Amino acid sequence: EVQLVESGGGLVQPGGSLRLSCAASGFTFSSYSMNWVRQAPGKGLEWLSFITSSSHIIYYADSVKGRFTISRDNAKNSLYLQMSSLTDEDTAMYYCAKETYGSSCGNWGQGTLVTVSS
Amino acid sequence: DIQMTQSPSSLSASVGDRVTITCRASQSVNNFLSWYQQKPGKAPELLIYAASSLQSGVPSRFSGSGSGTDFTLTISGLQPEDFATYYCQQSYSAPRTFGQGTRVEIK
Repeated sequence: EVQLVESGGGLVQPGGSLRLSCAASGFTFSSYSMNWVRQAPGKGLEWLSFITSSSHIIYYADSVKGRFTISRDNAKNSLYLQMSSLTDEDTAMYYCAKETYGSSCGNWGQGTLVTVSS
Repeated sequence: DIQMTQSPSSLSASVGDRVTITCRASQSVNNFLSWYQQKPGKAPELLIYAASSLQSGVPSRFSGSGSGTDFTLTISGLQPEDFATYYCQQSYSAPRTFGQGTRVEIK
């Protein structure tokens, strides 16, 4: 069974940094592209970033480009999102998602909540 | 960037109704279009990929159609567990944008 477990969320001050992790199990992590998606309270889904299995191709949403960095460690079956220069607009639930057929997000974690506040 | 526009933003329907949600892309996304269902407090779940392919385990009352810029999600015979918010997403090009969502409520 595919499992994705996010961690690393919490309360951070504006201008601060945070590193999110996503631990994967139940599938061959090194063979799949991965995504990060977030959802602000009461709002819709916002795609943030994509990374291929080998990390050769990476994409970002304009809203996080230059502030967030996606990475992965296939030996540790883990996906990461390094976030910096955080503002209150980054307050959201952050999900990792495994890419599947048709480049869709076939499996999602339960999310980790990031709150940016002073 | 490709903009995805869903309509309606919300709808009220009764159990057993046929429900149709549309998603329009600002430019062609070929068939790189997915549909997701999200219930309150839960992560989204994939329903349809490649515009019309049903994800394994998803009931057959869900169907998707369309190609290019215009897409439809249809629920044939709404069930109590289908009251949720539905999102489309294009994965043709980055950024892989979502629609704003359609909330399906009980009439």
